[in-house]
Amino acid sequence: QSALTQPPSASGSPGQSVTISCTGTSSDVGGYNYVSWYQQHPGKAPKLMIYEVTKRPSGVPDRFSGSKSGNTASLTVSGLQAEDEADYYCSSYAGSNPYVFGTGTKVTVL
Amino acid sequence: QVQLQESGPGLVKPSETLSLTCTVSTYSISTDYYWGWIRQPPGKGLEWIGSIYHSGTTYYNVSLKSRVTISVDTSKNQFSLQLRSVTAVDTAVYYCATYNSNWYTFDYWGQGTLVTVSS
Repeated sequence: QSALTQPPSASGSPGQSVTISCTGTSSDVGGYNYVSWYQQHPGKAPKLMIYEVTKRPSGVPDRFSGSKSGNTASLTVSGLQAEDEADYYCSSYAGSNPYVFGTGTKVTVL
Repeated sequence: QVQLQESGPGLVKPSETLSLTCTVSTYSISTDYYWGWIRQPPGKGLEWIGSIYHSGTTYYNVSLKSRVTISVDTSKNQFSLQLRSVTAVDTAVYYCATYNSNWYTFDYWGQGTLVTVSS
């Protein structure tokens, strides 16, 4: 099972929006609506930000939103804030090998 | 809120077995969650290792399946990871986490523990 493909980096100025893509296959991202996104600050454990493609756990700001089209999912962070600077990982249920993460994207707030 | 804490040796010799335990507090391990292990090599991405239910049902990453065993001890509210025949590529921060099988997410995470494979 190969890792899902994400761009290595993305950036935006405070207040702007940034969108991160996550490309898989019909066996993972495209086959199920179980795409999740995690935020990881340096030296910290990942934190769940989005699940089931578009849903936000309690406490996650509505500046974070998710979507999916075909085999590609996306995370959009609107109104960028300094604390949004972190690594972001997508993940997906993948059937027979049940779980796969993305390669990770470093978001920089300029 | 589920609290998890990894424990185990921080240094393992090549060809030996890496053994880690995750102690769960504020929540009974014998309830609805699966329990999982994830690792992250220094400066690299996350890799799912495997997950276990309190009944003992396990799911493993096919790339690691031949070397991994995950077990659960409900009496101690702990679950454990064994990774056999380790090499330097197994050097990583190892996280334990709750695995929500309804939404296929890792909801709560331990702080992680660095395991270095070196002679």
